[in-house]
Amino acid sequence: GAGVSQTPSNKVTEKGKYVELRCDPISGHTALYWYRQSLGQGPEFLIYFQGTGAADDSGLPNDRFFAVRPEGSVSTLKIQRTERGDSAVYLCASSPGRANTGELFFGEGSRLTVL
Amino acid sequence: AQSVTQLDSQVPVFEEAPVELRCNYSSSVSVYLFWYVQYPNQGLQLLLKYLSGSTLVKGINGFEAEFNKSQTSFHLRKPSVHISDTAEYFCAVSSQRDDKIIFGKGTRLHILP
Repeated sequence: GAGVSQTPSNKVTEKGKYVELRCDPISGHTALYWYRQSLGQGPEFLIYFQGTGAADDSGLPNDRFFAVRPEGSVSTLKIQRTERGDSAVYLCASSPGRANTGELFFGEGSRLTVL
Repeated sequence: AQSVTQLDSQVPVFEEAPVELRCNYSSSVSVYLFWYVQYPNQGLQLLLKYLSGSTLVKGINGFEAEFNKSQTSFHLRKPSVHISDTAEYFCAVSSQRDDKIIFGKGTRLHILP
């Protein structure tokens, strides 16, 4: 399968711990997006990359959240000092070109639970 | 900045009846509009999109949507729903200037037998 892959699919952690969530986009896709989806809500924009650079990180809620995409392919979303309010499904999506005229291909998400 | 409002969190409809899922957007610049669908236990996938041209857009599985600039709406319709249409539907908007895509809160379509 050549879809967007996210790991882990489920992560349970304790308040205050550090967490990394990984996204493997579809091969060749230049754009990569991170969203957060809480129960009963739509995907909330966090950040998107065009290649290696973050084109727009205005959705990151605070400086505990950080994302990288060092080689323009795999991306990691990093959350420091996790809080219970960070519990959500974190979605990754990729696009072969400009997503606003094309299509976002979504992974199945990483469910984060902070106890 | 753009925003999207989906007023209906849930819409129950009988099988083979028509359905309309409402979406309104807000933007100070020209936009592109999308509907994405999330079937149970699956990731989101694109249903249809409006970029330019004809205001009536046809998508997969018999769905269509109409862009109405004066009413800032992009409602989704299907003339006859099937049990397989049970899913959550998300309206999304992007400005034509950048690639930030904003989603609405979603509408859960519940098909009644």
